[in-house]
Amino acid sequence: GAVVSQHPSWVICKSGTSVKIECRSLDFQATTMFWYRQFPKQSLMLMATSNEGSKATYEQGVEKDKFLINHASLTLSTLTVTSAHPEDSSFYICSARDGGGAGGSRQYFGPGTRLTVT
Amino acid sequence: GDSVTQMEGPVTLSEEAFLTINCTYTATGYPSLFWYVQYPGEGLQLLLKATKADDKGSNKGFEATYRKETTSFHLEKGSVQVSDSAVYFCALSDLNSGGGADGLTFGKGTHLIIQP
Repeated sequence: GAVVSQHPSWVICKSGTSVKIECRSLDFQATTMFWYRQFPKQSLMLMATSNEGSKATYEQGVEKDKFLINHASLTLSTLTVTSAHPEDSSFYICSARDGGGAGGSRQYFGPGTRLTVT
Repeated sequence: GDSVTQMEGPVTLSEEAFLTINCTYTATGYPSLFWYVQYPGEGLQLLLKATKADDKGSNKGFEATYRKETTSFHLEKGSVQVSDSAVYFCALSDLNSGGGADGLTFGKGTHLIIQP
C-alpha cells in the first residue's frame, strides 16, 4: 500500500527557535497533503491543506505566519514551526491524498512527529 | 461546525467478545464517514468507510453502517482478537463545510485493549 513518511519522528528544540518537519509520499504522487495536530488524549485537528505549487489553506484559528507550509513537489510537503514556544509542543501528523481509483481518492497518514519545545 | 463524538476509552474486552464503539456526528452537509485505526508505533490506517446513507463499510471483520436518521456510524466486530488492540478514530469528510477540501474531522479516539 501507499506509504507516507515523516522526518524527524521526534524533535526537542529550545524556545524561540524554528523547526522543520518533512512529509513525503514514498510511492505515489500527492497533489494534496494535510497537516494535523494532536494533543494528548485529544482528536486530530486539521491545521491546513497543502496544495502542490500553491499556497496552503489554513483552518480558522491557525496562525499562517507561525506554521509555514511549503509543498514544493508532488511528493514533499514541509511544516515549519517558527519561533516555537512550549505551547507548540504537540504531535504533528501529515497525510497525503492519492489520485484516486475505483474507490475514489483516499488519505494515507504519516507516523507523526513529536515536537517538544523547552 | 462539523464534529464527531465517540465513546471514551479505554475499552477492555476479552478475546472473542463482541465489540461496539459508538460514533455520532454533526455536519452541515452530507459527509462521508470513516473509521481509522492506529496500531502502536504506526500511522493511522483507513479501516472502512461509507459515503452515503445506509451504506455499510466492512473490513477485517469490522463493520459500520451509515445511519443518517440517527447521525451515527457505530463500529462493530463479532469476535475480537488480541491483534485488534489499537486506537480507533471515527472521522468525517464534508466538502460543504468550508474547510480544507477533504480535510477530515476526527473524534478523540477510543483505545481498545483485548486481553487473551
